[in-house]
Amino acid sequence: EIVLTQSPATLSLSPGERVTLSCRASQSVTRSLAWYQQRPGQAPRLLIYDASIRATGIPARFSGSGSGTDFTLTISSLEPEDFAVYYCQHRKNWPLTFGGGTKVEIK
Amino acid sequence: EVQLLESGGGLVQPGGSLRLSCAASGFTFSTYVMTWVRQAPGTGLEWVSAADSGGYGTYYADSVKGRFSISRDNSRSTLYLQMNSLRAEDTAIYYCTKGVDGSNWFAEFWGQGVLVTVSS
Repeated sequence: EIVLTQSPATLSLSPGERVTLSCRASQSVTRSLAWYQQRPGQAPRLLIYDASIRATGIPARFSGSGSGTDFTLTISSLEPEDFAVYYCQHRKNWPLTFGGGTKVEIK
Repeated sequence: EVQLLESGGGLVQPGGSLRLSCAASGFTFSTYVMTWVRQAPGTGLEWVSAADSGGYGTYYADSVKGRFSISRDNSRSTLYLQMNSLRAEDTAIYYCTKGVDGSNWFAEFWGQGVLVTVSS
């Protein structure tokens, strides 16, 4: 099973700041990695898939990069609605697994 | 508009069974892979099970293998999850998700989820 480790667990930031979230895989997932956002009380939403492809309707301030074992989600300038929990997931093999999540909170 | 409507959740005793349904609309159901993902209270996301577009390829997390069974009825645009031998640790919100396409398992669209509580 591929283990995805997200860091940090929590980030305290202010609106307008740039944020970089990390997801590290225990073995190569090539570019088969996605990022999701989950706001409180809501279902998750797909942001980025296959490492760098923005999902439909996702603002350009969200971008993804990386390959192999190290991946990054960048939000160029935090909007109030971006304070949420972010998860990564791979689809390299079975079982599909999620990372533990990074909470982005208001400072 | 894509819609995924889960149903069938509720309170069940340990050892009991439940069958979740996910009624899909707004897309050609038979051409997309589908998955179930769950989230225990206050915790992160856990992938549970997946079915390919025809329902012939099915996959399970180790935590549910042998107890849960995924299926789909493409004529009814409905995904199912039969859950047997339920345990307290199966308590969670269960989400039905639609894949990006017929071979990409990432969850492009999520239902609102259905709560399953396993307790005596």
